Amino acid sequence: DIALTQTPLSTPVTLGQPASISCRSSQSLVYRDGNTYLSWLQQRPGQPPRLLIYKVSNRFSGVPDRFSGTGAGTDFTLKISRVEAEDVGVYYCMQATQFPWTFGQGTKVEIK
Amino acid sequence: QVQLQQWGAGLLKPSETLSLTCAVYGGPFSGYFWSWIRQSPGRGLEWVGEIVHDGNINYNPSLKSRVTVSGDTSRNQFSLRLRSVTAADTGVYYCARGTSASWFIDSWGQGTLVTVSS
Repeated sequence: DIALTQTPLSTPVTLGQPASISCRSSQSLVYRDGNTYLSWLQQRPGQPPRLLIYKVSNRFSGVPDRFSGTGAGTDFTLKISRVEAEDVGVYYCMQATQFPWTFGQGTKVEIK
Repeated sequence: QVQLQQWGAGLLKPSETLSLTCAVYGGPFSGYFWSWIRQSPGRGLEWVGEIVHDGNINYNPSLKSRVTVSGDTSRNQFSLRLRSVTAADTGVYYCARGTSASWFIDSWGQGTLVTVSS
């Protein structure tokens, strides 16, 4: 199975300041078709996860542009340019390049 | 806006079978893949399996011997059965929809807490 390792596991952030989460894969996430199927999900307390970013850097419909994704191969980053109160929650990376699909262990974003 | 509504028994005894169903409203069943994903404090998010619109079914190898995912296109529903449950299967189970165009999951059910306890 492909292991996804997220850092940090928790990040306290001041409102209006940026936040960055790293996701490192145990092997390349480039599929044979040339695409990289790495997504980022947000889970607010008591809710199911919600898609933010797909294929590394594509923002899903309705996702604010303060969220951005970058990376390639085995190293990926989710950035929040200016954290708002509604961004509190746990963020996960997920890979769909190889079965079984796997998730990172999650990064908790909280307000200082 | 597609909505996924799931239901099933929330309390099981060890060795029983977990059975959950997810109904799809407001969107087509065909053209997507339909997944089950579970979440527990100890294991985090874990992909259980999926049924693709063309009928293909994929399972997590760690659960493959005990799991069955099936679909009913006439009812716009899909189901999960997990046999011989143990306490390690306790968690919140989500049904979810994905698009095979870009292989991401874009919609989730509300989740069902399943507890396995004697």
